[in-house]
Amino acid sequence: DAGITQSPRHKVTETGTPVTLRCHQTENHRYMYWYRQDPGHGLRLIHYSYGVKDTDKGEVSDGYSVSRSKTEDFLLTLESATSSQTSVYFCAITSGQGAYEQYFGPGTRLTVT
Amino acid sequence: SQQGEEDPQALSIQEGENATMNCSYKTSINNLQWYRQNSGRGLVHLILIRSNEREKHSGRLRVTLDTSKKSSSLLITASRAADTASYFCATDSIQGAQKLVFGQGTRLTINP
Repeated sequence: DAGITQSPRHKVTETGTPVTLRCHQTENHRYMYWYRQDPGHGLRLIHYSYGVKDTDKGEVSDGYSVSRSKTEDFLLTLESATSSQTSVYFCAITSGQGAYEQYFGPGTRLTVT
Repeated sequence: SQQGEEDPQALSIQEGENATMNCSYKTSINNLQWYRQNSGRGLVHLILIRSNEREKHSGRLRVTLDTSKKSSSLLITASRAADTASYFCATDSIQGAQKLVFGQGTRLTINP
């Protein structure tokens, strides 16, 4: 998985609790992305980062926030989890610099009860 | 909003046959990519075709791109059981070249 890890890999949480997912890369790539994957929707972009402390919203950013204080780490936070945020979350990276292919982490399966 | 739409949603063929999947998109693109996802795993990049290219090959994969029709196809020749997976097309726009929009995918099953 191209030097990308995600933690935790599985999590069950209750509605209303905060949740933070972590993506860690060892490739020193500039761009990092958070997607969610749901049946019937494919992958949808939540937030992405184009450098340390540089982030922007994706297609489905409501209810999520992100932070990137180091090149290697990109955190996704659900401030108050809802059942609609039950999903599989994938982190991806790309180097930019004319390269567009993305490399994906193994995913985090999140269940909000 | 979905930029790429794959067709068919599911495809089941016999091992050794060829598999063709199609992708249509809506806006002008910079590149189009195809990814594979095995069950329970992350996506793996297969091939990228630039907007000024019409065809590209990689091993048993052949990708075509028709920008006038805003469509692409992925052909897998001589399929193997290990090709069983979901396949996604992804496009990036000229404006946001580092962001991808994925289609919903085609679920390919290769029967032994």
